[in-house]
Amino acid sequence: DVQLTQSPSSLSASVGDRVTITCRASQSVTTYLNWYQQKPGKAPKLLIYAASRLQSGVPSRFSGSGSGTDFTLTISPLQPEDFATYYCQQSYSTLYSFGQGTKLEIK
Amino acid sequence: QVQLQESGPGLVRPSQTLSLTCTVTGGSVSRGPFYWSWIRQHPGKGLEWIGYISDTGSIYYNPSLRSRMTISLDTSKNQFSLKLSSVTAADTAVYYCARVDVLSGYYYVDYWGPGTLVTVSS
Repeated sequence: DVQLTQSPSSLSASVGDRVTITCRASQSVTTYLNWYQQKPGKAPKLLIYAASRLQSGVPSRFSGSGSGTDFTLTISPLQPEDFATYYCQQSYSTLYSFGQGTKLEIK
Repeated sequence: QVQLQESGPGLVRPSQTLSLTCTVTGGSVSRGPFYWSWIRQHPGKGLEWIGYISDTGSIYYNPSLRSRMTISLDTSKNQFSLKLSSVTAADTAVYYCARVDVLSGYYYVDYWGPGTLVTVSS
């Protein structure tokens, strides 16, 4: 099974900041890595697929990079509506898996 | 616009079978390529992939749940379903149905249902 480890588990930031969330895979997933945003009481929403491709309708302040085992999600500049929990997810192996999540809070 | 909606009991007794249905509108479950999926989230926790069924009927189950699970497709009703037997309190979670895009070759969830909380309790 592919394990995904996100860091940090939580972070505080201010509107206008640049933030980076990291996702590390236990083995190479090439670029089969996706990022989602989840707000309380809501289903997750796709932001980035294939490591770096922006989903249609998602603001360009979201960007993704990486390949193999190390990936990043960057948000810049932070907007008030971006405070949420973010998950990475791999679809390289048939047992799809998610990272444990990163909670982004207002400083 | 594709929409998914979960339905089923919100309370299940321990040792009984959890049964959920996902109704799809704005698209056909028999027209692919898509994987029709179930994902759950324990209260205050992260996301766990339960399993999925393709438009052609191929099925994949999470090995940790395989012995208790059944996922099926009903093309006549444009629905897919989840049955999880012998439930315990550890199965209490929000259950999401979702569609995985396969056409792009990158396998990501592009549509989610709103989720339904299932509580296992006597």
